[in-house]
Amino acid sequence: GQNIDQPTEMTATEGAIVQINCTYQTSGFNGLFWYQQHAGEAPTFLSYNVLDGLEEKGRFSSFLSRSKGYSYLLLKELQMKDSASYLCAVRDQYGGATNKLIFGTGTLLAVQP
Amino acid sequence: ETGVTQTPRHLVMGMTNKKSLKCEQHLGHNAMYWYKQSAKKPLELMFVYNFKEQTENNSVPSRFSPECPNSSHLFLHLHTLQPEDSALYLCASSQGGSTGELFFGEGSRLTVL
Repeated sequence: GQNIDQPTEMTATEGAIVQINCTYQTSGFNGLFWYQQHAGEAPTFLSYNVLDGLEEKGRFSSFLSRSKGYSYLLLKELQMKDSASYLCAVRDQYGGATNKLIFGTGTLLAVQP
Repeated sequence: ETGVTQTPRHLVMGMTNKKSLKCEQHLGHNAMYWYKQSAKKPLELMFVYNFKEQTENNSVPSRFSPECPNSSHLFLHLHTLQPEDSALYLCASSQGGSTGELFFGEGSRLTVL
C-alpha cells in the first residue's frame, strides 16, 4: 500500500531551527516534494528531491534517503510567518506532463515568539 | 492574473442541488488536477487531465463529474452530494520538466447540508 507519515503538529521558537520528518512506503518513487500551506491558502512548492542528499534553498533545506524511505525539511532562523502546514508528497509515477503525487497528512508548525 | 484561479471560493449546497466548481490556469501548463482536502486527512487525488484527456480517475464516485474543455480550464460538476463530501477542493496544474511541481489554486470550500 501507499503510506506517508509525518508528525501531526510541532511547535518551535522564533529564530530557532526545526526539522520536520517524513517517512514513506510507496509502490513507486519518482521524487519527493515539500509544500507549505498557510491556513485558507493554496499549497506552495518548497523543495524537490529525487537523488539522495541535501538540497538547500535559502532558509529551507530538504534531505532524502531513498534506501531508508526518509526525508526531512529543515527550517532555519524561524520567523512567525513560517507558521503553516508542511506537506510531504511522493511522486508515484511520472508520465509526460502529469504527476501522481501521494501526500501525507501534513505537519502543522506553530512558531512562537 | 494569479497562476491558478478557482471559483467559487465558498459553496454551500443541499444534497439534491447541482453545482459546478471552476478552475482556470494562466501558466500554459498541459496537465490539470482535482484534489480533495479534508480535515486531518491527506490530500486525495481525484482526477488528472493531460492535454484535455482524462488520464486518472482515482475511484471517485459518479456524483463528481469532471470536464476539461481545454488545457486551461477544468470543471468539477457536483450532483446529489453527501454531507461527507464537504471539504476543500483544490485544483492544480503542472508542466513536464525536471521537477514538474504542481501549482495549486486556493481551493473551493464546499459544505453539503
